[in-house]
Amino acid sequence: QQQVKQSPQSLIVQKGGISIINCAYENTAFDYFPWYQQFPGKGPALLIAIRPDVSEKKEGRFTISFNKSAKQFSLHIMDSQPGDSATYFCAAKEETSGSRLTFGEGTQLTVNP
Amino acid sequence: DTAVSQTPKYLVTQMGNDKSIKCEQNLGHDTMYWYKQDSKKFLKIMFSYNNKELIINETVPNRFSPKSPDKAHLNLHINSLELGDSAVYFCASSLSGPDIQYFGAGTRLSVL
Repeated sequence: QQQVKQSPQSLIVQKGGISIINCAYENTAFDYFPWYQQFPGKGPALLIAIRPDVSEKKEGRFTISFNKSAKQFSLHIMDSQPGDSATYFCAAKEETSGSRLTFGEGTQLTVNP
Repeated sequence: DTAVSQTPKYLVTQMGNDKSIKCEQNLGHDTMYWYKQDSKKFLKIMFSYNNKELIINETVPNRFSPKSPDKAHLNLHINSLELGDSAVYFCASSLSGPDIQYFGAGTRLSVL
């Protein structure tokens, strides 16, 4: 069963717009929530991550919003640029699982110029 | 100076053949992984090794056998390849405890 549900599957945004990708989880033991960015022909790379003791983390144009009670977290990309066009994966890890990451299904983001 | 390198980048082979994919990391990490990414981009972990010891072994056919000769290398051998094995295989590494996984560029396997 899919423990981390991600939506939408694909997203098209105009340059300068805000891109929002949502993830939901069931396992309350998850304690680390990273987002990975994957460009075509490349491996995923860590973009930004959050732990459940904070509700928001911002790094440049990228922000994670975290709602522990709703078991949801989202990635916001402000002032989206064509160079942001990539596949984005949310993920989650629980402390007792060692290094195992559970990934969402991915969102293909296209930012039109 | 690539951190996680996989070879080959592309692999085209016939059904029934046996093939290997190699992975090496120069980051000094003690944990390495193999992931399979299908045509829908879904990333699924297959195996993980920590200090050459198998710690994650998902439900993967026995035809897939990982081998870790040392902490810096994790190879994947696949026997009797099937059409459904066609995918992109990613190697990754991390330090145990800390959470950042570093991925290689992937090996695109096509089984004809």
